[in-house]
Amino acid sequence: GNSVTQMEGPVTLSEEAFLTINCTYTATGYPSLFWYVQYPGEGLQLLLKATKADDKGSNKGFEATYRKETTSFHLEKGSVQVSDSAVYFCALSGRTNDYKLSFGAGTTVTVRA
Amino acid sequence: DGGITQSPKYLFRKEGQNVTLSCEQNLNHDAMYWYRQDPGQGLRLIYYSQIVNDFQKGDIAEGYSVSREKKESFPLTVTSAQKNPTAFYLCASSIKGAEDTQYFGPGTRLTVL
Repeated sequence: GNSVTQMEGPVTLSEEAFLTINCTYTATGYPSLFWYVQYPGEGLQLLLKATKADDKGSNKGFEATYRKETTSFHLEKGSVQVSDSAVYFCALSGRTNDYKLSFGAGTTVTVRA
Repeated sequence: DGGITQSPKYLFRKEGQNVTLSCEQNLNHDAMYWYRQDPGQGLRLIYYSQIVNDFQKGDIAEGYSVSREKKESFPLTVTSAQKNPTAFYLCASSIKGAEDTQYFGPGTRLTVL
């Protein structure tokens, strides 16, 4: 079945540091890949997505590239801010009839001023 | 404003009582989903519905029930058969033709005392 593995947290960074959160997946076929962000006490927000190999999703300074050869979708940001403190979830959709999302366990990121 | 609303934000119930969580969307989305989030874990799918008057079990449907009588509404009932109901519950929806991109509500935190 489909599964997502993302790096364990928590991750603590200083402001303006470089952030990388690793995500690898197992899936049959050609899944769509997503990063969601959850701010404290809130629901999830879609951060970015990629639907085919070599696609790069980007939003709010975050980027992730769909790497089929390494089955990865690592999230990166060059210079984080305190407001980026949140839980980040990697997810995939197998694009079968039910379009179910499979989520990683989430990575808690804390950015200190 | 278009969006997904969940109410209440916090809910407390005594053990053995059924409780219903509300989810309403005015996005005109066809599909709706219920997820459960536990600390340190990713989201797990409880039930989903792709069309009015139809719904399917997700990965952890035992102890839960749903209805989909209207396109805008997808209430979730946590029954007394659910052995560990304390969790954060998230509702999501998606548009027909882009079912793999889901939009989430703010969540309801249920605590069973």
